[in-house]
Amino acid sequence: QSALTQPRSVSGSPGQSVTFSCTGTSSDVGGYNYVSWYQQHPGKAPKLIIYDVNKRPSGVPDRFSGSKSGNTASLTISGLQAADEADYYCSSFAGFYILVLFGGGTKLTVL
Amino acid sequence: QVQLQESGPGLVKPSETLSLTCTVSGGSISSYYWSWIRQPPGKGLEWIGYVSYSGTTNYNPSLKSRVTISLDTSRDQFSLKLSSVTAADTAVYYCARGDFWNDYYRWFDPWGLGTLVTVSS
Repeated sequence: QSALTQPRSVSGSPGQSVTFSCTGTSSDVGGYNYVSWYQQHPGKAPKLIIYDVNKRPSGVPDRFSGSKSGNTASLTISGLQAADEADYYCSSFAGFYILVLFGGGTKLTVL
Repeated sequence: QVQLQESGPGLVKPSETLSLTCTVSGGSISSYYWSWIRQPPGKGLEWIGYVSYSGTTNYNPSLKSRVTISLDTSRDQFSLKLSSVTAADTAVYYCARGDFWNDYYRWFDPWGLGTLVTVSS
């Protein structure tokens, strides 16, 4: 099965907004509202920041928001901070045979 | 709060079986779904499979023939066995709690810190 498609890198300056894309198919991202996003700092475990496309777990700042249009999901970080520099992975339910797909990850650089 | 910790050998020989254990603390293992996820060096994440609170399992089709995940509720632990390993199985292995409501995958949270397993003779 193919991983979800994410750009290799994005960058932004402090205070700006950045948006990450995650493209799948109608069998995964487009077919269900079960897209999640994870933040991973170097050498650390991934941390859940968005689930069910646009829900935030307790403790995640509202600077992080998620959305979906067709087969593409998006994560937006507003008011960019240096501490946001990390890798970001999307993930989606992919049907009852494959179940779970991850994207290849996007590296965020805060300029 | 729930915390997870992986343990097991950091080096496994080719063709042998990789065995890891995840210990759950701060919460009950008798609910939710308990997964293994791996990340080869410099690469993305790959879901390996889960064991549910009731002991049912589900695996990534690409690994299914080599994977066994089991649950030990008496010890609040769950385990991964991956047989016939090759260098391609070298990765950081994470354990994580997951929500698979009615088998719909929704999220993984929290994750363990991860453990690097190298396959080499």
